[in-house]
Amino acid sequence: NAGVTQTPKFQVLKTGQSMTLQCAQDMNHEYMSWYRQDPGMGLRLIHYSVGAGITDQGEVPNGYNVSRSTTEDFPLRLLSAAPSQTSVYFCASSQTANPNTEAFFGQGTRLTVV
Amino acid sequence: AQTVTQSQPEMSVQEAETVTLSCTYDTSESDYYLFWYKQPPSRQMILVIRQEAYKQQNATENRFSVNFQKAAKSFSLKISDSQLGDAAMYFCAYGSGNTGKLIFGQGTTLQVKP
Repeated sequence: NAGVTQTPKFQVLKTGQSMTLQCAQDMNHEYMSWYRQDPGMGLRLIHYSVGAGITDQGEVPNGYNVSRSTTEDFPLRLLSAAPSQTSVYFCASSQTANPNTEAFFGQGTRLTVV
Repeated sequence: AQTVTQSQPEMSVQEAETVTLSCTYDTSESDYYLFWYKQPPSRQMILVIRQEAYKQQNATENRFSVNFQKAAKSFSLKISDSQLGDAAMYFCAYGSGNTGKLIFGQGTTLQVKP
């Protein structure tokens, strides 16, 4: 039972480089989201998707792009990495967007931008 | 806008004793959910307990219980008979509506002393 799988677990980027953080879930969940975790700030929502083909911005979307071409996958793209994007990134999924359905989190990606 | 505040960056407890982690929130909504998540050093986000705002009865899960004071907008977590495995960062979170967005507090690091 894989649940939510994020890759890679660790990544170091140079300023200006681009990369994609992968997220896949095998629970047929409609809702998927990306958060970033920074010290003293908890987790903040970057982007979310309520189903294939539908995405929307969260609290801190600048510098990030997402797409949802399938139910299973929800990649997060950094087009031009900046040191301010150094963070731990979490992907989450749940049956629906209603908070009465449990959110399942991936194990996170620690990203360092130098 | 909704906010969640955890005013205790760090707490410590002796093994087998009881500890209470504090959380306050602000919202103008009447229907919402509150959560406590545990994040051990592995980074995995684990749902500990959930409270539905319309339920007056406090939620309990084994050694974990909450004190939900809706009028005071307070949602504290009590851990009884603390174990070494309870050492982790704990996040309080708020969810409502159909955006799936969770709003997290800053987190409280719990140390359990043998």
